[in-house]
Amino acid sequence: AQSVSQHNHHVILSEAASLELGCNYSYGGTVNLFWYVQYPGQHLQLLLKYFSGDPLVKGIKGFEAEFIKSKFSFNLRKPSVQWSDTAEYFCAVNVKTGRRALTFGSGTRLQVQP
Amino acid sequence: DVKVTQSSRYLVKRTGEKVFLECVQDMDHENMFWYRQDPGLGLRLIYFSYDVKMKEKGDIPEGYSVSREKKERFSLILESASTNQTSMYLCASSSPTGDGFFNQPQHFGDGTRLSIL
Repeated sequence: AQSVSQHNHHVILSEAASLELGCNYSYGGTVNLFWYVQYPGQHLQLLLKYFSGDPLVKGIKGFEAEFIKSKFSFNLRKPSVQWSDTAEYFCAVNVKTGRRALTFGSGTRLQVQP
Repeated sequence: DVKVTQSSRYLVKRTGEKVFLECVQDMDHENMFWYRQDPGLGLRLIYFSYDVKMKEKGDIPEGYSVSREKKERFSLILESASTNQTSMYLCASSSPTGDGFFNQPQHFGDGTRLSIL
């Protein structure tokens, strides 16, 4: 069965710092990959997704992620974070065979200090 | 805009009670999901449904059941609540794709924080 690992559980950055959150998945076949974000007190919402094509995908609010198939990774990046990016970030994977629902990682809590 | 509504934001129940969590979506989505969210564990899938009266077990179905009698409504049932079911419960919905993936974005409700005493 597929799994998703997010190794950074809690990240603290100052405003304007660059961000990279790691996401690795374990599945050898075709995957769809997602990043979701949960702002304090709000519901989860989609940040960006990768289905096929250009491995560098851009999402909302200046976020981007790069799919590196050889490394089974889909890391999230942002060049300059803002205090409003304080949230919990979840990576998720979907595969075509086996279970047909998303598998989520354990999440990374990002705290941006002004 | 898609709206997924969970009936309660906060709920307190006692051990042994039968608990019903309700979720309604207004976008005519075929797929609906129940997750529980625990610190350090992320979201774990309990059950999902891809059509009325159809359901599949997720990763942690033990102690739970579901009901989908109407397309817009997906209920999670805790048959006999226990303290280890204290958690945040999230409902989500999505539209299907024809290629075997469930890759349409999932729309989430605000969650129900359930405490079992």
